[in-house]
Amino acid sequence: AQSVTQLDSHVSVSEGTPVLLRCNYSSSYSPSLFWYVQHPNKGLQLLLKYTSAATLVKGINGFEAEFKKSETSFHLTKPSAHMSDAAEYFCVVSGGNNRLAFGKGNQVVVIP
Amino acid sequence: DTEVTQTPKHLVMGMTNKKSLKCEQHMGHRAMYWYKQKAKKPPELMFVYSYEKLSINESVPSRFSPECPNSSLLNLHLHALQPEDSALYLCASSQVPGANNEQFFGPGTRLTVL
Repeated sequence: AQSVTQLDSHVSVSEGTPVLLRCNYSSSYSPSLFWYVQHPNKGLQLLLKYTSAATLVKGINGFEAEFKKSETSFHLTKPSAHMSDAAEYFCVVSGGNNRLAFGKGNQVVVIP
Repeated sequence: DTEVTQTPKHLVMGMTNKKSLKCEQHMGHRAMYWYKQKAKKPPELMFVYSYEKLSINESVPSRFSPECPNSSLLNLHLHALQPEDSALYLCASSQVPGANNEQFFGPGTRLTVL
């Protein structure tokens, strides 16, 4: 079965500084991996996805993530945080049972 | 149209009421999903419809009854709910069934059961 670990349930960053959200996964299959963002009282929006093509994946709003099979990681980064980046971020892994496995999420706070 | 829409946005109901949540997509997607999300938690899968047929029921209590009238519409019928069922209910769709395909989420219905 697949699973996802997101450390640091709360992350505080200053506006204009880099953002790093860590994600480690476990999967019995060659996984697809996703990062979703959820702003307060909103649905989930796909930031980016990895599906066995390029290991460095670029997403929307300046986010990118690197798939490292040897480390079973898919960390999300952004060079410069913006106030609008304050939200909940979920790392998600697919598996062979038609289900997604969600991490517990990172609550990102951006300090002006 | 790349949106999943959900109505209503908010719903307050008593434990004896019957209500329905509605979800719609016009992207031609053939898989649709219901999730339940409690505060500060990730979404939990409830049901999956593949080509308008129920393919996954995650042991959801029978007071939740899904329905897929056609490929664009997904309903969730609610009856005799409990206060612990209060949550954000999210609908999602994907082009075809299979967890490797990205899911597009609607904005959710915030349900409060009194």
